Amino acid sequence: DAKTTQPTSMDCAEGRAANLPCNHSTISGNEYVYWYRQIHSQGPQYIIHGLKNNETNEMASLIITEDRKSSTLILPHATLRDTAVYYCIVRVSGGYNKLIFGAGTRLAVHP
Amino acid sequence: DTEVTQTPKHLVMGMTNKKSLKCEQHMGHRAMYWYKQKAKKPPELMFVYSYEKLSINESVPSRFSPECPNSSLLNLHLHALQPEDSALYLCASSQDLPNSGNTIYFGEGSWLTVV
Repeated sequence: DAKTTQPTSMDCAEGRAANLPCNHSTISGNEYVYWYRQIHSQGPQYIIHGLKNNETNEMASLIITEDRKSSTLILPHATLRDTAVYYCIVRVSGGYNKLIFGAGTRLAVHP
Repeated sequence: DTEVTQTPKHLVMGMTNKKSLKCEQHMGHRAMYWYKQKAKKPPELMFVYSYEKLSINESVPSRFSPECPNSSLLNLHLHALQPEDSALYLCASSQDLPNSGNTIYFGEGSWLTVV
C-alpha cells in the first residue's frame, strides 16, 4: 500500500471549514483514498473514501487532484466535536485488504 | 454508531492470568480484524480473518491467540501477557468481496491493562 503524508496538527475555528491535506504521490491506479478519524478514547470512525472523483456525504467532502497524488478532506462547518486525529489511508479495495494507519493529523477545533 | 460490539470495555489482568476479549458484528461481514493501539500511536494490525479462517498474522507473539468461532464472532485469547501489552485493542469488520468498496468498521475497543 502507498504511504501518505499529513501535517502533524492543525487548528480550526468553530463554524469554519476545516481543510485537511494528504499527499499520496505513490498511489497506484487501483488504490482508493480512505479517511478515518479517531476521537479521544474511541475506535476509528469511517468518514469517506474515493478513487478518482470528488465525493461528498453527510460528514465531509473529499477532493482528489486529477493526478491523484494528493487529496483534501473538507469538514464544511467544523464543531468542537470534530476535534480528533484524522487519518488518510490509501489501500486496494476489495477482499480483506489491510488498512494501515499512518500518524494522522491532530485537528483541534476551538471556539 | 458502530455496529461492532466489543467486550469488556476495560480489563485488568495479571501476567499469569488467562483472559479473552470478545467482538461481535451482525452486519453480515465475512472479514474481521484485530488491531492494537498504544497511547498516542496509530492502530497497528494484528490479525485478519476471512470467512472464519486466519488470513493474516502480522508476526504477533503467541501469547495472543485469535479465534473466529463463527462469522459474527471474533475472540482474542490472552495468556502470559507483559505490562508492555497494555493497550487499546480494536476489533473491526468488513465485507470480503472483490471490488466491493469494502469499508472497514471499527468497534469502540477494549482497554487492557496488564499488571
